[in-house]
Amino acid sequence: SQKIEQNSEALNIQEGKTATLTCNYTNYSPAYLQWYRQDPGRGPVFLLLIRENEKEKRKERLKVTFDTTLKQSLFHITASQPADSATYLCALEQGSGTYKYIFGTGTRLKVLA
Amino acid sequence: DAGVIQSPRHEVTEMGQEVTLRCKPISGHNSLFWYRQTMMRGLELLIYFNNNVPIDDSGMPEDRFSAKMPNASFSTLKIQPSEPRDSAVYFCASILGQGSYNEQFFGPGTRLTVL
Repeated sequence: SQKIEQNSEALNIQEGKTATLTCNYTNYSPAYLQWYRQDPGRGPVFLLLIRENEKEKRKERLKVTFDTTLKQSLFHITASQPADSATYLCALEQGSGTYKYIFGTGTRLKVLA
Repeated sequence: DAGVIQSPRHEVTEMGQEVTLRCKPISGHNSLFWYRQTMMRGLELLIYFNNNVPIDDSGMPEDRFSAKMPNASFSTLKIQPSEPRDSAVYFCASILGQGSYNEQFFGPGTRLTVL
């Protein structure tokens, strides 16, 4: 069955360091992958989308990679700040043109001042 | 833009009661999604609509769940009868367009507790 795995353990890092979050998937061949941020008591907020033919995508301090061979996406936040503390969700398109995305359970990031 | 609006924000009810959750998508968006989020299962897609038509309801857990979209600016998710295992946060999301490359805009969610 299709499965998405994100590290369920919280990630604590020091302010100014680079945070790296991992999203692994099996039994999928998604054409698109998205990353969302979710703060407590709020809905997810879109951050980045990467296509299967793109190896890397950047937006300000954010960088996403998409390795379809390893079936893995890495999400990086450089020069992390306490305001970056949140849960980060990856979402994979379930099937071409379906508009359906399967979400991982998320990784909670805490940036320590 | 007010974003996606959901009501109520919190709902506490007793087992067996009917629950109706409401969603107003962003004006102009033509696809709408209902999700359920729990700690154990994460964010699960229940149903999505395109141009007010239900396209895929395979995520709806049981016949106790039903969803409607009578017009482009309003959708409801109904649970009848509700059960304690339905306790979760329910999100509505909308997108502009029809492509998988479109970002989803989520509402603030409705936290449902069934006693």
